[in-house]
Amino acid sequence: KQEVTQIPAALSVPEGENLVLNCSFTDSAIYNLQWFRQDPGKGLTSLLLIQSSQREQTSGRLNASLDKSSGRSTLYIAASQPGDSATYLCAVRTASGGSYIPTFGRGTSLIVHP
Amino acid sequence: EPEVTQTPSHQVTQMGQEVILRCVPISNHLYFYWYRQILGQKVEFLVSFYNNEISEKSEIFDDQFSVERPDGSNFTLKIRSTKLEDSAMYFCASSVEADTQYFGPGTRLTVL
Repeated sequence: KQEVTQIPAALSVPEGENLVLNCSFTDSAIYNLQWFRQDPGKGLTSLLLIQSSQREQTSGRLNASLDKSSGRSTLYIAASQPGDSATYLCAVRTASGGSYIPTFGRGTSLIVHP
Repeated sequence: EPEVTQTPSHQVTQMGQEVILRCVPISNHLYFYWYRQILGQKVEFLVSFYNNEISEKSEIFDDQFSVERPDGSNFTLKIRSTKLEDSAMYFCASSVEADTQYFGPGTRLTVL
């Protein structure tokens, strides 16, 4: 059974810092991995999706990398801003026995203070 | 930009009652999903739906749950006899293929 862990659970940083959020997974037979942000009481907003054959994806100040062999993905946020404050979730779709059910981590709660 | 919409935003019901949560996926999407998030817990997959049938479901999605796409635009989740532990945020999502999923804002279900 796939297990997804996100470290750290919470992070508070001053504006302008570069950040690294970590996601680890136990079963490397993944189909893809998706990073989301979730604002309090709201739905999930997709940030980046990395297919199993890819090593990284970039969108603006965000860069996500994937290392299947070590079971890790990182989300890099450059020059953080207060508007980046949210919970960041990673979700792993495991390609196992024809099933592609996604497994979510608990998230990293990020606060960027001015 | 197209969005997934969900109604109602908040549903309060008595234990044992039936509820129907509604979703309108993005119009050209072919895959539809329901997730739930109990307060303070992880987002959990419930069910995926493609080509008018369930393609996958989790252990949570038992006989009390059902999904339907009644009219080609709406996608519904029905809980036949709600329990206290069904209280959660329920998210609908859709995707073109089995790739980037777009989530709705959620329905908060409170079972009293």
